[in-house]
Amino acid sequence: EAGVVQSPRYKIIEKKQPVAFWCNPISGHNTLYWYRQNLGQGPELLIRYENEEAVDDSQLPKDRFSAERLKGVDSTLKIQPAELGDSAVYLCASSLDHRENEQFFGPGTRLTVL
Amino acid sequence: AQSVTQLDSQVPVFEEAPVELRCNYSSSVSVYLFWYVQYPNQGLQLLLKYLSGSTLVESINGFEAEFNKSQTSFHLRKPSVHISDTAEYFCAVSERNTGGFKTIFGAGTRLFVKA
Repeated sequence: EAGVVQSPRYKIIEKKQPVAFWCNPISGHNTLYWYRQNLGQGPELLIRYENEEAVDDSQLPKDRFSAERLKGVDSTLKIQPAELGDSAVYLCASSLDHRENEQFFGPGTRLTVL
Repeated sequence: AQSVTQLDSQVPVFEEAPVELRCNYSSSVSVYLFWYVQYPNQGLQLLLKYLSGSTLVESINGFEAEFNKSQTSFHLRKPSVHISDTAEYFCAVSERNTGGFKTIFGAGTRLFVKA
């Protein structure tokens, strides 16, 4: 069974440029999460989807970040424009449902903003 | 959970020695507890979890953790570590809120096993 797929694995951009990350969760997983992991810290939730509905986006900086999961399967996280402080690893995870007994993580996208 | 504290950012240990990675949390409601492991250049993967029942839970590779409600702790232990256990370990706590469950992760503990 394929795990959570993320692309790209690495991205280097200049500040003020846009960037997008893509995630394909495990087949059949209704819940999808986007996390940001800063260096030396644990993952911090940005947004959680139940199917195509964003049910928790309280930590998403909405002035520059946006996300979508149009058909309730794969998802895209976008930053526009990127700032230096956005450099981090962006993790996608999925679980069967919102009870979160176990989350399955992708390898992450390491973003460097110059 | 309001917070999850992993008291040690790095733990160096010799191969075959015992190890304990500490995790404390603060929460006013019932919680589920997890340890995730992240090997170099890989995603986080579940190591073990406590949902209910026995407070001592075990993983398939010899790790165990004990839920201590009075001390709000969920420390991870292994009696004899291997070089291959070198990784970063994250403690996580899930608690129910109005939108379902919310999971908070600790900052991680880097376990470095030396030969």
